[in-house]
Amino acid sequence: DIQMTQTTSSLSASLGDRVTISCRASQDISNYLNWYQQKPDGTVKLLIYYTSRLHSGVPSRFSGSGSGTDYSLTISNLEQEDIATYFCQQGNTLPLTFGAGTKLELK
Amino acid sequence: QVQLKQSGPGLVQPSQSLSITCTVSGFSLTSYGVHWVRQSPGKGLEWLGVIWSGGSTDYNAAFISRLSISKDNSKSQVFFKMNSLQANDTAIYYCARRGSKGYYFDYWGQGTTLTVSS
Repeated sequence: DIQMTQTTSSLSASLGDRVTISCRASQDISNYLNWYQQKPDGTVKLLIYYTSRLHSGVPSRFSGSGSGTDYSLTISNLEQEDIATYFCQQGNTLPLTFGAGTKLELK
Repeated sequence: QVQLKQSGPGLVQPSQSLSITCTVSGFSLTSYGVHWVRQSPGKGLEWLGVIWSGGSTDYNAAFISRLSISKDNSKSQVFFKMNSLQANDTAIYYCARRGSKGYYFDYWGQGTTLTVSS
């Protein structure tokens, strides 16, 4: 199985900050990398698929980049509603696997 | 709009089975697959399996012996069943729609919180 690693489990930032969350795959996943946001009530939403494609309705302050094994999610101009946990997921090979998540908190 | 609504028990005894129904709206099960994912404190998010639009299934090998996913297209319902539950199956269980452009989940259900305890 492909292992997904998010080395930062929690991150503190201020409103208006630019925040970058990283994710690494145990092998090349050919840009099949997706990002999700989970709110404290358990609600999960897709933010970005295939490394950098923004899902419908997702604000443009979210962006994704990367290739091979290393990927990142960037939130420019952090807003209060962005306080959540963020997960990466590889969509290259079954079984689909997730990172452990990065919890974003306000400084 | 696309919605997935889950129904199922919150408490199950050890060795019993779990059944969850995911009722979808805003799309057809004949056009989209539905995945199942769970989240536990110990293992984080785990992909469990998928039923594709044509009705075939794929399961995570770790669960294949005790997992079954089926559906009724006419009722827009997907059925999840896991047998022989133990305490470490305590988790939030989600259904999620397959994204149209690959192996990702574009819309999620609200989650079913399951506790396995006697």
